Amino acid sequence: AQSVTQLGSHVSVSEGALVLLRCNYSSSVPPYLFWYVQYPNQGLQLLLKYTTGATLVKGINGFEAEFKKSETSFHLTKPSAHMSDAAEYFCAVSHVIMNRDDKIIFGKGTRLHILP
Amino acid sequence: DVKVTQSSRYLVKRTGEKVFLECVQDMDHENMFWYRQDPGLGLRLIYFSYDVKMKEKGDIPEGYSVSREKKERFSLILESASTNQTSMYLCASSPAFYEQYFGPGTRLTVT
Repeated sequence: AQSVTQLGSHVSVSEGALVLLRCNYSSSVPPYLFWYVQYPNQGLQLLLKYTTGATLVKGINGFEAEFKKSETSFHLTKPSAHMSDAAEYFCAVSHVIMNRDDKIIFGKGTRLHILP
Repeated sequence: DVKVTQSSRYLVKRTGEKVFLECVQDMDHENMFWYRQDPGLGLRLIYFSYDVKMKEKGDIPEGYSVSREKKERFSLILESASTNQTSMYLCASSPAFYEQYFGPGTRLTVT
């Protein structure tokens, strides 16, 4: 069975500081991994995804994430936080061989607060 | 760009009413999903559909039903709304069971 754990339901960083949002997954087969962002009163927007190939993936708005198989992690980073990054972030996992009963599994989300 | 639209952004209904939430996608995706989102609980899958007239129960289907008569449209039905169904409802579509594209959400309040 697959699962996703996001460490920290709330994370606060100062404007200009490094953003690090942690995600660990559990999957018995090679995973597809995703990060989504949700701004207040909006739907989820795909930030980036890992499927195969390069383990460091770059997404929109300057975010990137690195797939580390040995650590079963897919942490999201951004070198310098901006006030507009304040939002809720969701990590999600699916796996390569999907059948009708398989779904994407979402973490419970991490709310990112940017301090001026 | 993929576009997923939902019929209402905000909705207020009374207990016992029948409620229809509509979702339309314009990218010919096979798969469509309905989630509800509540603070501290993340996204919970209510129902999904991988083809017209097909539906599968998600993790919390009780109190809900769905309809998919056309490929682009997936409706969520609350047969008799209750206060514990007050929530944000999110529709999504995908070309396969990979990344999903979300609509803007419907914030439903049942009084």
